[in-house]
Amino acid sequence: NAGVTQTPKFQVLKTGQSMTLQCAQDMNHEYMSWYRQDPGMGLRLIHYSVGAGITDQGEVPNGYNVSRSTTEDFPLRLLSAAPSQTSVYFCASNRPGLAGGSGELFFGEGSRLTVL
Amino acid sequence: AQSVTQLGSHVSVSEGALVLLRCNYSSSVPPYLFWYVQYPNQGLQLLLKYTTGATLVKGINGFEAEFKKSETSFHLTKPSAHMSDAAEYFCAVSEQGAQKLVFGQGTRLTINP
Repeated sequence: NAGVTQTPKFQVLKTGQSMTLQCAQDMNHEYMSWYRQDPGMGLRLIHYSVGAGITDQGEVPNGYNVSRSTTEDFPLRLLSAAPSQTSVYFCASNRPGLAGGSGELFFGEGSRLTVL
Repeated sequence: AQSVTQLGSHVSVSEGALVLLRCNYSSSVPPYLFWYVQYPNQGLQLLLKYTTGATLVKGINGFEAEFKKSETSFHLTKPSAHMSDAAEYFCAVSEQGAQKLVFGQGTRLTINP
C-alpha cells in the first residue's frame, strides 16, 4: 500500500537549473495535484489534472510545467529554478467527491527543494 | 472565489484542556469543508470533512467540527487534548462541482504537559 510516492525527498539546485519532481500513485485516482507549502501561507495549488492528458493551472503556476501521460504519474518540472521556488512540494491524488466536489486528498510525504 | 481564514497561526493548550481551532470561509456556493492534520516531516492526512447532511461532523482521534452556515465557520474542537495532538492543522474548502481545494494558512497546535 504505497499510496502517493514523491521523489526526491530533498534537492538543492542552483539558480537557473532545471529539474523534475516525480509523483506516482497506485490508487487509480483520476485527479492529481501539486501544492507548495511555505511558512504562514498554507498550501497553494500549482497545477492539477483531472485525468490523463488533461492539466490546468492552479493559484501559483508560473515557473512550473506539468504533464499527465498516464493515470499513475504526474511530474512537476521546474524550468529555470529561482530562489523564490525554495519550498516544500506536495503531490496529492483523489477521486471526485459528491456532486463533483473534491474528495479526500491523499498526500505524498513531500519534496524539500532549496534553490541557491 | 473561495478563501479560508484560520484565526491564530499558533495555539497552545495544556494536556487535557479543550482544543478549539477556528476556521472561517467564503464561498459563493455551498461548500465542501475539510480539516487536515500534518505531523512533522509528513504529508497531510484527512481529519474530517463536511459535504452535506449533518452539520456536526466527527473525525479521527476524537476531533469534531460544526458547519455553521450563518457564521461561515467550520471550527475544529476536541474536548481533551493529548500530547500526540501536537501538529499543524489546515482548514480547506472546495465548491461543489470544483476540484480545486483552497487551504487556510494553518494553525500550529502545541500541547503543554
